[in-house]
Amino acid sequence: QSVLTQPPSASGTPGQRVTISCSGGSSNIGLNGVKWYQQVSGTAPKLLMYSPDQRPSGVPDRFSGSRSGTSASLAISGLQSEDEADYYCASWDGSLKTWLFGGGTKLTVL
Amino acid sequence: EVQLVESGGGLVQPGGSLSLSCAASGFTLSSFEMHWVRQAPGKGLEWVSYIDSRGTTIYYADFVKGRFTISRDSAKNSLYLQMSSLRVEDTAVYYCAREKRWQQFGAFDIWGQGTLVTVSS
Repeated sequence: QSVLTQPPSASGTPGQRVTISCSGGSSNIGLNGVKWYQQVSGTAPKLLMYSPDQRPSGVPDRFSGSRSGTSASLAISGLQSEDEADYYCASWDGSLKTWLFGGGTKLTVL
Repeated sequence: EVQLVESGGGLVQPGGSLSLSCAASGFTLSSFEMHWVRQAPGKGLEWVSYIDSRGTTIYYADFVKGRFTISRDSAKNSLYLQMSSLRVEDTAVYYCAREKRWQQFGAFDIWGQGTLVTVSS
């Protein structure tokens, strides 16, 4: 069981806005923020957000993030079929001295 | 092109050993902190190990401590993971990943394609 908790699934129709949550603790998300990764089936993960609300260059601004205390969320607006993938949150845990990943959320575009 | 290419995966019996390599191209690996992350079939991502840019600070996930060893070779621009006392539950695709820093924020910005390790009798 992951220390970072995500819903196992989410869904939306093209053009909709969906959000994926990630709940952690004071020694990980609360202290060190959160990263988000997208993994399309059969491929390596791709970095979407390197901080709760900042994207690397090349990631569309349809992807946005936020953090409140020990929880974070990823929002995808203008949902597209190519957004169908697994999404993982991650954070460094300063107490455990380990990187933590959430269990992943499978996003289905209906 | 900036990329990481893993190699060395394969089938090994429980209790056996295997060594994974991760070759970097398009950047100097020794300038970055590096990680190994694994993914069991049909499961989520699981962090395995970290090594800093100088190779002096190393961390392991509890489930590999004492069995896996991470290392790097600047001359070969490569990262390694030596795995021993392998268990069936170590079966996974193993990815190497580069950690890039944006001010105080670090994240895994470059991932290899992964190499499959299967532990089975």
